[in-house]
Amino acid sequence: NAGVTQTPKFRVLKTGQSMTLLCAQDMNHEYMYWYRQDPGMGLRLIHYSVGEGTTAKGEVPDGYNVSRLKKQNFLLGLESAAPSQTSVYFCASKSLRNTIYFGEGSWLTVV
Amino acid sequence: KNQVEQSPQSLIILEGKNCTLQCNYTVSPFSNLRWYKQDTGRGPVSLTIMTFSENTKSNGRYTATLDADTKQSSLHITASQLSDSASYICVVRLGYNQGGKLIFGQGTELSVKP
Repeated sequence: NAGVTQTPKFRVLKTGQSMTLLCAQDMNHEYMYWYRQDPGMGLRLIHYSVGEGTTAKGEVPDGYNVSRLKKQNFLLGLESAAPSQTSVYFCASKSLRNTIYFGEGSWLTVV
Repeated sequence: KNQVEQSPQSLIILEGKNCTLQCNYTVSPFSNLRWYKQDTGRGPVSLTIMTFSENTKSNGRYTATLDADTKQSSLHITASQLSDSASYICVVRLGYNQGGKLIFGQGTELSVKP
Protein backbone atom coordinates (compact mmCIF):
# COMPACT_ATOMS: atom_id res chain seq x y z
CA ASN A 1 0.00 0.00 0.00
CA ALA A 2 1.85 3.08 -1.27
CA GLY A 3 -0.47 5.69 0.32
CA VAL A 4 0.39 9.17 -0.97
CA THR A 5 3.33 9.40 -3.35
CA GLN A 6 4.95 12.64 -4.49
CA THR A 7 7.36 13.16 -7.35
CA PRO A 8 9.94 14.53 -7.67
CA LYS A 9 11.41 14.54 -4.18
CA PHE A 10 14.02 17.19 -4.94
CA ARG A 11 14.22 19.83 -7.66
CA VAL A 12 16.23 22.95 -8.32
CA LEU A 13 14.69 25.49 -10.67
CA LYS A 14 15.89 28.73 -12.14
CA THR A 15 13.71 31.81 -11.70
CA GLY A 16 11.09 31.88 -14.43
CA GLN A 17 11.15 28.16 -15.16
CA SER A 18 8.03 26.07 -14.90
CA MET A 19 7.50 22.67 -13.36
CA THR A 20 4.83 20.29 -12.14
CA LEU A 21 4.71 18.32 -8.92
CA LEU A 22 2.76 15.10 -9.10
CA CYS A 23 0.81 13.60 -6.26
CA ALA A 24 -0.74 10.16 -6.49
CA GLN A 25 -2.86 8.34 -3.91
CA ASP A 26 -4.06 4.77 -4.06
CA MET A 27 -6.66 4.96 -1.28
CA ASN A 28 -9.59 6.15 -3.42
CA HIS A 29 -9.86 9.38 -1.43
CA GLU A 30 -12.01 12.19 -2.74
CA TYR A 31 -10.24 15.05 -0.97
CA MET A 32 -6.69 15.99 -1.85
CA TYR A 33 -4.54 18.92 -0.79
CA TRP A 34 -1.31 20.72 -1.57
CA TYR A 35 0.53 22.45 1.30
CA ARG A 36 3.79 24.27 1.59
CA GLN A 37 5.95 24.20 4.70
CA ASP A 38 8.41 27.00 5.45
CA PRO A 39 10.77 27.33 8.43
CA GLY A 40 9.08 28.64 11.56
CA MET A 41 5.63 28.47 10.01
CA GLY A 42 2.86 25.95 10.04
CA LEU A 43 1.83 24.19 6.87
CA ARG A 44 -0.17 26.49 4.62
CA LEU A 45 -2.80 25.31 2.18
CA ILE A 46 -2.14 26.20 -1.45
CA HIS A 47 -4.99 24.48 -3.30
CA TYR A 48 -7.30 21.60 -2.64
CA SER A 49 -9.73 19.35 -4.45
CA VAL A 50 -12.94 17.74 -3.22
CA GLY A 51 -13.18 15.33 -6.10
CA GLU A 52 -12.16 14.50 -9.64
CA GLY A 53 -12.46 17.49 -11.93
CA THR A 54 -12.72 20.03 -9.08
CA THR A 55 -10.16 22.36 -7.55
CA ALA A 56 -10.30 25.28 -5.15
CA LYS A 57 -7.94 27.90 -3.78
CA GLY A 58 -6.43 27.66 -0.33
CA GLU A 59 -4.81 30.43 1.67
CA VAL A 60 -1.69 30.92 -0.50
CA PRO A 61 -2.70 30.09 -4.09
CA ASP A 62 -0.88 32.85 -5.97
CA GLY A 63 1.74 31.61 -8.42
CA TYR A 64 0.38 28.05 -8.43
CA ASN A 65 -2.13 26.12 -10.51
CA VAL A 66 -3.56 22.68 -9.96
CA SER A 67 -5.45 20.02 -11.86
CA ARG A 68 -7.37 16.90 -10.81
CA LEU A 69 -8.10 15.12 -14.07
CA LYS A 70 -8.07 11.72 -12.40
CA LYS A 71 -9.27 10.93 -8.89
CA GLN A 72 -5.96 9.43 -7.85
CA ASN A 73 -3.77 12.29 -9.11
CA PHE A 74 -3.44 15.90 -8.01
CA LEU A 75 -0.92 18.03 -9.90
CA LEU A 76 0.62 21.26 -8.65
CA GLY A 77 2.11 23.55 -11.28
CA LEU A 78 4.42 26.52 -11.06
CA GLU A 79 4.20 28.49 -14.31
CA SER A 80 7.02 30.93 -13.60
CA ALA A 81 9.00 29.96 -10.51
CA ALA A 82 10.14 32.65 -8.08
CA PRO A 83 12.65 32.42 -5.21
CA SER A 84 9.73 32.96 -2.79
CA GLN A 85 8.44 29.57 -3.88
CA THR A 86 11.46 27.82 -2.44
CA SER A 87 9.82 25.52 0.07
CA VAL A 88 8.90 21.99 0.97
CA TYR A 89 5.65 20.92 -0.64
CA PHE A 90 3.38 18.29 0.85
CA CYS A 91 0.48 16.58 -0.78
CA ALA A 92 -2.22 15.02 1.37
CA SER A 93 -5.46 13.13 1.00
CA LYS A 94 -8.33 12.65 3.42
CA SER A 95 -10.23 9.49 4.21
CA LEU A 96 -13.95 9.24 4.87
CA ARG A 97 -13.07 8.99 8.56
CA ASN A 98 -11.30 12.35 8.29
CA THR A 99 -7.82 10.93 8.72
CA ILE A 100 -5.33 12.88 6.64
CA TYR A 101 -2.42 11.12 5.01
CA PHE A 102 0.58 13.11 3.90
CA GLY A 103 3.13 12.37 1.23
CA GLU A 104 6.84 12.39 1.93
CA GLY A 105 7.36 15.92 0.66
CA SER A 106 9.00 17.58 -2.34
CA TRP A 107 11.93 19.92 -1.73
CA LEU A 108 11.96 22.74 -4.25
CA THR A 109 14.69 25.36 -4.53
CA VAL A 110 14.32 28.31 -6.91
CA VAL A 111 17.56 30.13 -7.64
CA LYS B 1 -7.86 35.47 13.83
CA ASN B 2 -7.64 31.69 13.83
CA GLN B 3 -4.27 30.72 15.26
CA VAL B 4 -2.51 27.72 16.77
CA GLU B 5 0.48 28.41 18.99
CA GLN B 6 2.82 25.69 20.24
CA SER B 7 5.37 25.73 23.01
CA PRO B 8 8.16 25.22 23.52
CA GLN B 9 9.63 25.84 20.08
CA SER B 10 12.27 23.20 20.76
CA LEU B 11 13.04 20.76 23.54
CA ILE B 12 15.93 18.47 24.39
CA ILE B 13 15.39 15.57 26.80
CA LEU B 14 17.28 12.45 27.83
CA GLU B 15 16.17 9.05 26.68
CA GLY B 16 13.72 7.48 29.09
CA LYS B 17 12.40 10.79 30.43
CA ASN B 18 8.86 12.09 29.99
CA CYS B 19 7.91 15.37 28.38
CA THR B 20 4.85 17.48 27.65
CA LEU B 21 4.26 19.68 24.64
CA GLN B 22 1.71 22.48 24.70
CA CYS B 23 -0.75 23.78 22.14
CA ASN B 24 -3.01 26.84 22.55
CA TYR B 25 -5.54 27.76 19.92
CA THR B 26 -7.91 30.59 19.14
CA VAL B 27 -9.75 28.73 16.38
CA SER B 28 -13.51 29.10 16.15
CA PRO B 29 -15.69 27.26 15.40
CA PHE B 30 -13.78 24.23 16.58
CA SER B 31 -14.25 20.80 15.03
CA ASN B 32 -11.35 18.68 16.20
CA LEU B 33 -7.70 18.84 17.27
CA ARG B 34 -4.97 16.64 15.89
CA TRP B 35 -1.40 15.93 16.81
CA TYR B 36 1.06 14.88 14.12
CA LYS B 37 4.62 13.59 14.29
CA GLN B 38 6.94 14.67 11.51
CA ASP B 39 10.31 12.96 11.23
CA THR B 40 13.06 14.93 9.55
CA GLY B 41 12.66 14.79 5.79
CA ARG B 42 9.30 13.01 5.97
CA GLY B 43 5.65 13.93 5.85
CA PRO B 44 3.53 14.37 9.00
CA VAL B 45 1.94 11.25 10.44
CA SER B 46 -1.21 11.37 12.55
CA LEU B 47 -0.89 10.51 16.26
CA THR B 48 -4.29 11.45 17.70
CA ILE B 49 -7.54 13.15 16.77
CA MET B 50 -9.83 14.58 19.47
CA THR B 51 -13.26 16.10 19.14
CA PHE B 52 -14.84 18.68 21.41
CA SER B 53 -16.21 16.04 23.80
CA GLU B 54 -12.96 14.12 24.26
CA ASN B 55 -10.61 15.05 27.10
CA THR B 56 -7.86 12.58 26.48
CA LYS B 57 -6.70 10.11 23.86
CA SER B 58 -3.74 7.78 23.87
CA ASN B 59 -1.65 6.19 21.16
CA GLY B 60 0.97 3.98 22.77
CA ARG B 61 3.35 6.18 24.73
CA TYR B 62 1.66 9.33 23.41
CA THR B 63 -1.24 10.83 25.37
CA ALA B 64 -3.04 13.92 24.18
CA THR B 65 -5.34 16.00 26.36
CA LEU B 66 -7.83 18.64 25.38
CA ASP B 67 -9.46 21.38 27.42
CA ALA B 68 -12.01 22.94 25.09
CA ASP B 69 -12.95 25.57 27.69
CA THR B 70 -9.45 27.04 27.90
CA LYS B 71 -8.63 26.05 24.29
CA GLN B 72 -5.52 24.20 25.30
CA SER B 73 -4.11 20.82 24.39
CA SER B 74 -1.04 18.95 25.46
CA LEU B 75 0.86 15.97 24.15
CA HIS B 76 2.58 13.89 26.80
CA ILE B 77 5.31 11.46 25.78
CA THR B 78 6.15 8.77 28.29
CA ALA B 79 9.51 7.00 28.58
CA SER B 80 10.95 8.75 25.56
CA GLN B 81 12.96 6.88 22.96
CA LEU B 82 15.53 8.09 20.47
CA SER B 83 12.98 7.50 17.72
CA ASP B 84 10.73 10.12 19.29
CA SER B 85 13.09 12.80 17.99
CA ALA B 86 10.90 14.69 15.55
CA SER B 87 8.74 17.76 15.09
CA TYR B 88 5.31 17.53 16.72
CA ILE B 89 2.60 19.56 15.08
CA CYS B 90 -0.72 20.58 16.62
CA VAL B 91 -3.51 21.08 14.09
CA VAL B 92 -7.00 22.40 14.73
CA ARG B 93 -9.83 21.86 12.28
CA LEU B 94 -12.48 24.52 11.77
CA GLY B 95 -16.12 23.59 11.81
CA TYR B 96 -17.71 22.44 8.58
CA ASN B 97 -19.60 25.70 8.26
CA GLN B 98 -16.15 27.28 7.85
CA GLY B 99 -15.07 24.76 5.25
CA GLY B 100 -13.37 22.38 7.65
CA LYS B 101 -10.05 24.17 7.13
CA LEU B 102 -7.00 22.95 9.04
CA ILE B 103 -4.98 25.47 11.03
CA PHE B 104 -1.42 24.26 11.67
CA GLY B 105 0.85 25.19 14.54
CA GLN B 106 4.49 25.85 13.81
CA GLY B 107 5.56 22.68 15.59
CA THR B 108 7.76 21.74 18.55
CA GLU B 109 11.14 20.26 17.66
CA LEU B 110 11.90 17.44 20.11
CA SER B 111 15.36 15.97 20.40
CA VAL B 112 15.88 12.87 22.54
CA LYS B 113 19.49 12.30 23.55
CA PRO B 114 21.02 9.02 24.78
